[in-house]
Amino acid sequence: AQTVTQSQPEMSVQEAETVTLSCTYDTSESDYYLFWYKQPPSRQMILVIRQEAYKQQNATENRFSVNFQKAAKSFSLKISDSQLGDAAMYFCAYRSAEGFQKLVFGTGTRLLVSP
Amino acid sequence: NAGVTQTPKFQVLKTGQSMTLQCAQDMNHNSMYWYRQDPGMGLRLIYYSASEGTTDKGEVPNGYNVSRLNKREFSLRLESAAPSQTSVYFCASSNRGNTIYFGEGSWLTVV
Repeated sequence: AQTVTQSQPEMSVQEAETVTLSCTYDTSESDYYLFWYKQPPSRQMILVIRQEAYKQQNATENRFSVNFQKAAKSFSLKISDSQLGDAAMYFCAYRSAEGFQKLVFGTGTRLLVSP
Repeated sequence: NAGVTQTPKFQVLKTGQSMTLQCAQDMNHNSMYWYRQDPGMGLRLIYYSASEGTTDKGEVPNGYNVSRLNKREFSLRLESAAPSQTSVYFCASSNRGNTIYFGEGSWLTVV
């Protein structure tokens, strides 16, 4: 079974600075998808960024980018120019590309942003 | 865009009562899911439906039943609620290979 590990329960960053959230995963599959979801206090699950494992190029969405290291099974999220609105829980998730495709989540990292 | 809609958003139950959480999606997705989220934890899969007419257990199915009423709707039923089922429940949907989209969550308290 696949597992996702987020080893940082909480991270802090100042406005306008850059922060990196870590995620590692364990799988024997070669084709899969990885995601970062943001969960603000409202509890809504918001997709931040998505990466297909077969793509070597790291995904980027505006201020959010990932460092995908397939051999190391690592998938970190970099947030540049941090804003107060970035404060939230961030969940890393894995989804197989084969068979039934459920999401497997990490336990989350709480990001605090200070002025 | 409605996306994934869950009802009710908030519910308080007494131990032993039953209730059904309703979920509907308007994105023509084949797969639907029910997750629960407990404090300090990620989301855990309760049940899923890979396609209309099929349902299967996830990681934590005990105490729950589901119905895939049609392609749009997937309901979650608690037959006899227990305090351990106090949680935030999320319905989600997707098509193969695509992103999973979530509803806004249903906050359930069992006293």
